Amino acid sequence: SQQGEEDPQALSIQEGENATMNCSYKTSINNLQWYRQNSGRGLVHLILIRSNEREKHSGRLRVTLDTSKKSSSLLITASRAADTASYFCATGDGSGNTGKLIFGQGTTLQVKP
Amino acid sequence: DAGVIQSPRHEVTEMGQEVTLRCKPISGHDYLFWYRQTMMRGLELLIYFNNNVPIDDSGMPEDRFSAKMPNASFSTLKIQPSEPRDSAVYFCASSLRLGTYEQYFGPGTRLTVT
Repeated sequence: SQQGEEDPQALSIQEGENATMNCSYKTSINNLQWYRQNSGRGLVHLILIRSNEREKHSGRLRVTLDTSKKSSSLLITASRAADTASYFCATGDGSGNTGKLIFGQGTTLQVKP
Repeated sequence: DAGVIQSPRHEVTEMGQEVTLRCKPISGHDYLFWYRQTMMRGLELLIYFNNNVPIDDSGMPEDRFSAKMPNASFSTLKIQPSEPRDSAVYFCASSLRLGTYEQYFGPGTRLTVT
């Protein structure tokens, strides 16, 4: 069953603009991860935020986590055409004792040059 | 390291045939995961192993699906007999540890069952 639900399902922006994607989940979590998938490729890990963290940065990526609202957002600043991909949030279970990640349906981002 | 390796990259087979997908995880990773991705259902975890032992196979859809990990560097996912609804992209991923560790995905096997 899906744990994370991304919003929007699809996003189209111009190069240089910022892209914001949101993820909501249902149960308690130990951590939340964001992955990118280019067309025809496997998923690539972008960033992980733990349940006791509120914000994390990595290059042009900024992730926030609000455990009270069970939601997270991924912000890509100054987008590039190469950022065109699908982005997935994935949640680890609350105990952190299983290896399972539950993936959302993803947001498809198109960055127009 | 070459990353997670999967073979074949593409597989086309007829309904009723046996299909075997292969995966080589990253050396030193204790965990191996098999996922299936379709437009309708998204990315689903089928089964995962810890130190070659299956830990959770609750995502395996039917008895037609089976997975093995005979050693730390090799795993197979077998479908017998295959059906058209098995058509999907199958990913293998590996992880160093549990919980807060990232998973490294292979390039996937695109399976088409006609």
